[in-house]
Amino acid sequence: QQKVQQSPESLIVPEGGMASLNCTSSDRNVDYFWWYRQHSGKSPKMLMSIFSNGEKEEGRFTVHLNKASLHTSLHIRDSQPSDSALYLCAASIPGYQNFYFGKGTSLTVIP
Amino acid sequence: GPKVLQIPSHQIIDMGQMVTLNCDPVSNHLYFYWYKQILGQQMEFLVNFYNGKVMEKSKLFKDQFSVERPDGSYFTLKIQPTALEDSAVYFCASSLSQNTLYFGAGTRLSVL
Repeated sequence: QQKVQQSPESLIVPEGGMASLNCTSSDRNVDYFWWYRQHSGKSPKMLMSIFSNGEKEEGRFTVHLNKASLHTSLHIRDSQPSDSALYLCAASIPGYQNFYFGKGTSLTVIP
Repeated sequence: GPKVLQIPSHQIIDMGQMVTLNCDPVSNHLYFYWYKQILGQQMEFLVNFYNGKVMEKSKLFKDQFSVERPDGSYFTLKIQPTALEDSAVYFCASSLSQNTLYFGAGTRLSVL
C-alpha cells in the first residue's frame, strides 16, 4: 500500500498565481515530511521540510502540517515559469532510515 | 551544497547482461539509498544501506539486484541479469541521519 498520497496529479497555474499541493500519509507512524522539487531531467532537490504542527515560510514557499490528520500542503505564491517541475512529497518514520515518496504533482506555470 | 556523484550518466546494455551502477556519496554521510524512477514519475524506493549492510529493501529489489560498498569506495548497484523492465533512471542518494536526502544526477539505464 502506498504510504504517501499526493494530489492533484497535475496542476496548471498562471504566472503570478498561487499553487497549492497536497500530501497525506496513511501510516500513523509517519512523523516527518519533506517536499522535493525535480525539474525535468534533473535530480530531486529538497525544498522544505516540516516536523512540527503549524506553518513554515521560506520566501514564496509555505508549508503547512497537521499531524493529527498527517496532512501537509505546499503553497507557492507568485508562481514563476521556473517553478514548473515535479513536486515530490516524502515521509519518514522515526527509527527507520527510509524515505517514502508519493507519486508527485506535476506543476506547470504558464507565462 | 553536498554532492553525490553517479557514474555513468547513461548506460545501454543488452537484456541478460550484467550492469553496475556507481555512486560516490557525500563524504561524511552514513546512509545510502537507491531509487528507481520511470518516465519522470514516482520515485520508487529500492534499498537502503548502512554500516556495510542492507537495512531495508522493497519488493522492487529483485534477487538479481545487489548492493555493496567495499572499503568505503563507490556504493554500487549491480543487476545480473538485466531485464527489459529494468530500464529506468536510477538515483543514488545519501543522508547523514534521518535527515535530508541528497540525490545524484541519476544513471539512465536502457536495456535493449
